[in-house]
Amino acid sequence: ETVLTQSPGTLSLSPGERVTLSCRASQSLGRNFLAWYRQKPGQAPRLLIYGASSRATGIPDRFSGSGSGTDFTLTISRLEPEDFAMYFCQQYDISPGTFGQGTKLEIK
Amino acid sequence: EVQLLESGGGLVQPGGSLRLSCAASGFTFGNYAMTWFRQVPGKGLEWVSTLSETGGSTYYSESVKGRFTISRDNSKNTLYLHMSSLRAEDTAVYYCAKCPITGFTSVLSDYWGQGALVTVSS
Repeated sequence: ETVLTQSPGTLSLSPGERVTLSCRASQSLGRNFLAWYRQKPGQAPRLLIYGASSRATGIPDRFSGSGSGTDFTLTISRLEPEDFAMYFCQQYDISPGTFGQGTKLEIK
Repeated sequence: EVQLLESGGGLVQPGGSLRLSCAASGFTFGNYAMTWFRQVPGKGLEWVSTLSETGGSTYYSESVKGRFTISRDNSKNTLYLHMSSLRAEDTAVYYCAKCPITGFTSVLSDYWGQGALVTVSS
């Protein structure tokens, strides 16, 4: 199966800062079917980005995704308090779909 | 507003069975593939099973194949996951989720329920 490796594991930042999260796939995603989710404590994941760079419905433009092949990134331009959470990438290109282990964004 | 509400979770002994339900509302249920995921509290996410919009195509992870059965009743807007031969390692929060694209069976999911905790323990 396709392994997704997210880095870093944890980031400590302040509100208003810009952050870039990384997701690397063990094999190339030919259709760039890569999604990002945010999960707040005690809540279900929420879809942020799909197709590597398309924002999901209702997601503010401070979230952007980029990348292709094996290397993908999620950028949050200005961190809001609600952005301090776990972030997971998911590939739905190669069966079975898989998730990365997550990156935790915590308040410095 | 799209809503997904899981039920049926609880404590079950190893080797036992349990059926989860997911009641859907706010969208045309029969037009979308649906998926079950699970998450050990504090850990990562794992895909469990996906069902096409008509129920004609089913997909399972290797870890549950032969033990879990996914199904749906489009007349009741409900998704099910029947779990049998349960093991301690099946302990997790189980989420149902909706595929965002009609006619496309995928694990990509735009709406998730709040989850149902399944604990397998003697």
